[in-house]
Amino acid sequence: DQQVKQNSPSLSVQEGRISILNCDYTNSMFDYFLWYKKYPAEGPTFLISISSIKDKNEDGRFTVFLNKSAKHLSLHIVPSQPGDSAVYFCAASARTGANNLFFGTGTRLTVIP
Amino acid sequence: DSGVTQTPKHLITATGQRVTLRCSPRSGDLSVYWYQQSLDQGLQFLIHYYNGEERAKGNILERFSAQQFPDLHSELNLSSLELGDSALYFCASSLSGGAWDEQFFGPGTRLTVL
Repeated sequence: DQQVKQNSPSLSVQEGRISILNCDYTNSMFDYFLWYKKYPAEGPTFLISISSIKDKNEDGRFTVFLNKSAKHLSLHIVPSQPGDSAVYFCAASARTGANNLFFGTGTRLTVIP
Repeated sequence: DSGVTQTPKHLITATGQRVTLRCSPRSGDLSVYWYQQSLDQGLQFLIHYYNGEERAKGNILERFSAQQFPDLHSELNLSSLELGDSALYFCASSLSGGAWDEQFFGPGTRLTVL
């Protein structure tokens, strides 16, 4: 039972353009959402997060949007750079319970120079 | 470098065998989490330890067990291995295991069961 879904396994974007990665979740108890970035042969690294009390959080070139009614979040990267090429995982947790993360299957982003 | 170390990096073994994966958390972190990533899957939470005590359990098989030692390093034991246990196993650590704590991931151990 995949509670966090990333339906696009891959995405290619030209350098300088916007990358939009999408994520859907099914568990209405989730109230904290995160994006992790993963390079080959490395563990995931935290990128940006958003609490369910917000609908947007911005950090430099990265912005996460949350639509609670649609149970959908997205990560916008603008402008995209070749160094952003990696696998991006969406994750969620229900902070009233254990602090374990539920991960999506990941989207491989390729930024073409 | 997240500061979380995992050994070994790669492990190849046969069905029916038993292996132990080791994780050292970042200095000062009291919580350790284990995740399994099978091919083309997201990371699946297995178990969480805080300061030596089991805090939460996910979809961890009965053939798998873990513990956290007084020096806070953790070991994940996998026994009676099956082909389907082949996966990347990640360890993560956080300061206290609280809801807002960022989890820092190690580079993973790739287990191949032949």
